[in-house]
Amino acid sequence: AQKITQTQPGMFVQEKEAVTLDCTYDTSDQSYGLFWYKQPSSGEMIFLIYQGSYDEQNATEGRYSLNFQKARKSANLVISASQLGDSAMYFCAMREGRGGGATNKLIFGTGTLLAVQP
Amino acid sequence: DTEVTQTPKHLVMGMTNKKSLKCEQHMGHRAMYWYKQKAKKPPELMFVYSYEKLSINESVPSRFSPECPNSSLLNLHLHALQPEDSALYLCASSQGRDSRTEAFFGQGTRLTVV
Repeated sequence: AQKITQTQPGMFVQEKEAVTLDCTYDTSDQSYGLFWYKQPSSGEMIFLIYQGSYDEQNATEGRYSLNFQKARKSANLVISASQLGDSAMYFCAMREGRGGGATNKLIFGTGTLLAVQP
Repeated sequence: DTEVTQTPKHLVMGMTNKKSLKCEQHMGHRAMYWYKQKAKKPPELMFVYSYEKLSINESVPSRFSPECPNSSLLNLHLHALQPEDSALYLCASSQGRDSRTEAFFGQGTRLTVV
């Protein structure tokens, strides 16, 4: 069974500073994908960044980067130069890639509520 | 177009009502999902359709009935719901089974059962 753990229920960060949101995972699969989503109070889930288990380089997307440490099974999200609009719930998620099967589960962690302060 | 459209955005229904939630995507995605999300909780997977066939049912009560009429549409039929079924219902789609593919989500339907 797979498991995603986000240990920070809430985080504060000053505007323009960087913040790291923690995520650890547990899987016995060799092939898996890790995702971060942002959910503002309006409810939509916005895809931010993806890291594959075989990717050797950390993923980056604009102000978002993923600090992937495979041996530690961690996939922390780093947001640089925080903006007020970054205030939202952030979810780490994982999908296991079992070849040939119908396992399309995208499983989420409990989330971290980020508040950016002016 | 990277959009998943869900209708309605809000729904209030009585416990004896029958209603349906609709989801549509035109990205050519072959996997579609229903998630249920209670306040301050992560989304919980309910159903997965892969190539228009139900591939995963996470032991969801039969008062929730999914339907995938074609590759672009996904419905969730609701009947005899309970107040505890009130939640945000999210639809998502992705290209397929590959672990690399991200899921795109709709804005959700906020369901209230009275």
